Amino acid sequence: AQKITQTQPGMFVQEKEAVTLDCTYDTSDPSYGLFWYKQPSSGEMIFLIYQGSYDQQNATEGRYSLNFQKARKSANLVISASQLGDSAMYFCAMTHSGTYKYIFGTGTRLKVLA
Amino acid sequence: NAGVTQTPKFRVLKTGQSMTLLCAQDMNHEYMYWYRQDPGMGLRLIHYSVGEGTTAKGEVPDGYNVSRLKKQNFLLGLESAAPSQTSVYFCASRDPPPGQTNYGYTFGSGTRLTVV
Repeated sequence: AQKITQTQPGMFVQEKEAVTLDCTYDTSDPSYGLFWYKQPSSGEMIFLIYQGSYDQQNATEGRYSLNFQKARKSANLVISASQLGDSAMYFCAMTHSGTYKYIFGTGTRLKVLA
Repeated sequence: NAGVTQTPKFRVLKTGQSMTLLCAQDMNHEYMYWYRQDPGMGLRLIHYSVGEGTTAKGEVPDGYNVSRLKKQNFLLGLESAAPSQTSVYFCASRDPPPGQTNYGYTFGSGTRLTVV
């Protein structure tokens, strides 16, 4: 069965520190994509980063990087130099080449402390 | 360049009332989706459409109906609202080439629905 698991309901991090948000996935399809979205308190869903199952290198987008460990089926989001504006809910999601639907995890609420 | 627009943004319904949520996109996307977001459960797919005139059930379709009469619009209907349908509803669209996984959703801003 295809599934996304985020085991951290909530996380705290000190401003300017790095933080890792965990995401594990389960799929038997060799072709898939992994995404992270940010949802601030205002409610909108903001795309952060994408990793394809065949990508050899970990994806990076500014302060965001995705630690992709294919054998472990994990796709952790790393936020470097946390800012107060990073406080939000973060969702990991997966899609496959044979379908155009996303499967979402339950999310991790991150609070950045001043 | 509006992207995906959802109306209304907020609504309070009484149990048994009906309503329709509208999702409109101006990107000519083929694929459109309705999700609901509940605390501790992430986003769950209600219904989706792979093109004008098509609809399909997602993970939690019961109590909802949808229509895609025009490519740019995807309507979500609640025929007889129940308190269990209190949620935040998100519409999304995308248009990936066949076999491509690297195309993300464009989300609407959400509709907060409360059923009392």
